[in-house]
Amino acid sequence: DAKTTQPPSMDCAEGRAANLPCNHSTISGNEYVYWYRQIHSQGPQYIIHGLKNNETNEMASLIITEDRKSSTLILPHATLRDTAVYYCIVRVASGYGQNFVFGPGTRLSVLP
Amino acid sequence: GAVVSQHPSRVICKSGTSVKIECRSLDFQATTMFWYRQFPKQSLMLMATSNEGSKATYEQGVEKDKFLINHASLTLSTLTVTSAHPEDSSFYICSARVGGAAGELFFGEGSRLTVL
Repeated sequence: DAKTTQPPSMDCAEGRAANLPCNHSTISGNEYVYWYRQIHSQGPQYIIHGLKNNETNEMASLIITEDRKSSTLILPHATLRDTAVYYCIVRVASGYGQNFVFGPGTRLSVLP
Repeated sequence: GAVVSQHPSRVICKSGTSVKIECRSLDFQATTMFWYRQFPKQSLMLMATSNEGSKATYEQGVEKDKFLINHASLTLSTLTVTSAHPEDSSFYICSARVGGAAGELFFGEGSRLTVL
């Protein structure tokens, strides 16, 4: 699976949009981009995933560049409860037996 | 979304004893489950892949005789830490994949093991 690079930490003001970048310059054509987050002492929570097109759900938006070498997770109105470590993972789609490889992620602190 | 449940959420045991952690898929069947371990201030590290009805696949450096995995049904996988030592104290997390080829992975709440 392709390696990802994320900033180790970011701050965001409460109520503002949080934009978390991820570089995956070696991504292959059949690899999806997944985002998870982990709040302290809890299991990771699925946020969103995509292949080529931008995606949006009730939690966030995922913007993938046209060359697919980078993406941005957008939390439109960050709250204090969004403080967590955010993981960007790229992974081939096929095979139920393939796991997700977690990097160090980005520690997002939402400030009041 | 799909729910994966772990039990117990916290366990404290004495050195040398064995501890069993259960991972259940509550509203779907999971032929494959994954067990991760997370030390403080570190990311998740895959320990093993649990396959229903067959032997688990362990990652390099993970002792299969120490971390026993049983996946006897499509909704339950167990991880037993045998002869636990203080260095086994960690946050253990299971997960299962849902959906089709691009299906996301859902995680349990995690089990924090403290070995005294």
